[in-house]
Parts: sequence; structure tokens; C-alpha cells
Amino acid sequence: QLQLQESGPGLVKSSETLSVMCTVSGDSISSSNYNWDWIRQPPGRGPEWIGSLYYDGSTHYNPSLKSRATTSRDTSKNQFSLTLSSVTAADTAVYYCARVHRTSSGWVPFDYWGQGTLVTVSS
Amino acid sequence: DIQMTQSPSTLSASVGDRVTITCRASQSIHSWLAWHQQKPGRAPELLIYKASSLESGVPSRFSGSESGTEFTLTISSLQPDDFATYYCQQYDTYPWTFGQGTRVEIK
Repeated sequence: QLQLQESGPGLVKSSETLSVMCTVSGDSISSSNYNWDWIRQPPGRGPEWIGSLYYDGSTHYNPSLKSRATTSRDTSKNQFSLTLSSVTAADTAVYYCARVHRTSSGWVPFDYWGQGTLVTVSS
Repeated sequence: DIQMTQSPSTLSASVGDRVTITCRASQSIHSWLAWHQQKPGRAPELLIYKASSLESGVPSRFSGSESGTEFTLTISSLQPDDFATYYCQQYDTYPWTFGQGTRVEIK
């Protein structure tokens, strides 16, 4: 059974860099069958897509983040991570990692999610 | 960005009711539309993808349909476990975007 587990700092100071890790068990993040994405959800609001890490290591990001987001991976540990620089209070949210399944008939978005980790940006 | 507009924002219904939630895309998304259910304090869960394909393990009372840029999620007979918030999400074009959500509450 696939499992995704986020880990994060809980609290980050304004203007600093936020880092969140996702550990995947039950499948390989190097498999060409999947992309690995980050989504966040501010308190009381809807989800916002942050970015995607493809199986080949290429990435796509939400332009709304103005190039502050970076995703990377450690295939030996089957982990991928998100860093978000120059954070403000607007970056306070639950951060989720999720899988996108690439099938022959099209993609299936977010068929598995982590439980999420709340990151609060303080001044 | 493609805007996803859901209606209604809140829906009050009783167990056994037929419930319909609508999502309109600001441009064509070629059926690349998913529906997710979220309960308080939990991660969202995928219900439907490609507008009308039921995710494995999801009860058959959930169904999806489309007409142009308008998409519909229907719950044929509302069950106690279905009281939650529902989000549509397009995955046709980056950045992928979500609707603002529809909260289904007990009448």
C-alpha cells in the first residue's frame, strides 16, 4: 500500500526559507508511471497547486509563487522535498505531497495524498 | 490561469437526498477534471477523474458528468459519511487549479 508522509518545521520566521520533505513508501519516485506534486491549503481555504516533480527530475511550478519554490529529490531515500524562499504570513498553510498517476489513457491526479503538515510563518 | 467556479458554496441536504454540485471552467479543459472530497482535518481524497471516471474504491452513488465547460458531481443518495467539502480541479493546463469548494451540510 502506497504511503506518503510529510515532515516539516512547524514554524518558520518571515523572510526565511521553508523546507518540507515527503517520504514515499510502497513505490519508487523514479518510476515513469508517476509524478510527485506539492499542494498547499491555507487555513479555511481551498487547495492551491504548488508544483510537480516528474519521474525524470524535471519540474513545473505555479507562477503565482514567483520563482520562490524549488522541488528536489533523493532517489536513494525515496524522498522528495519542497523549499519555499522569502516566506510571508500568506505562506501559512497545510502542505501536502501527492501522487499523479500517468496512465496510457491519461493522468490521474492526486490519487494518493500525504496527511499534510502545517507550517506557520511568524513575524 | 484557468478559473474554476463551483456552485453552490454551501448545500444543506438530508440523508437519502440526491445532491448535485456544479463546476464551470473559464475555458475548455478537455474532460481533464477531477473531484475531491475533504473532511475536516483530513487530506482530500480523489473521487472522480477525467470528468466521469470513478476512482477505485469510491461508492457508485458518486458520479460525474460534463457538458462543454460545465461539470457536475452527483451523489445519488446522500449518506452520513458524505457530509464534507467537495472540490473540483482541472488538470488540463498548468498551473492546475481548484474550485473554491462546496460544503455539504446536514439539513
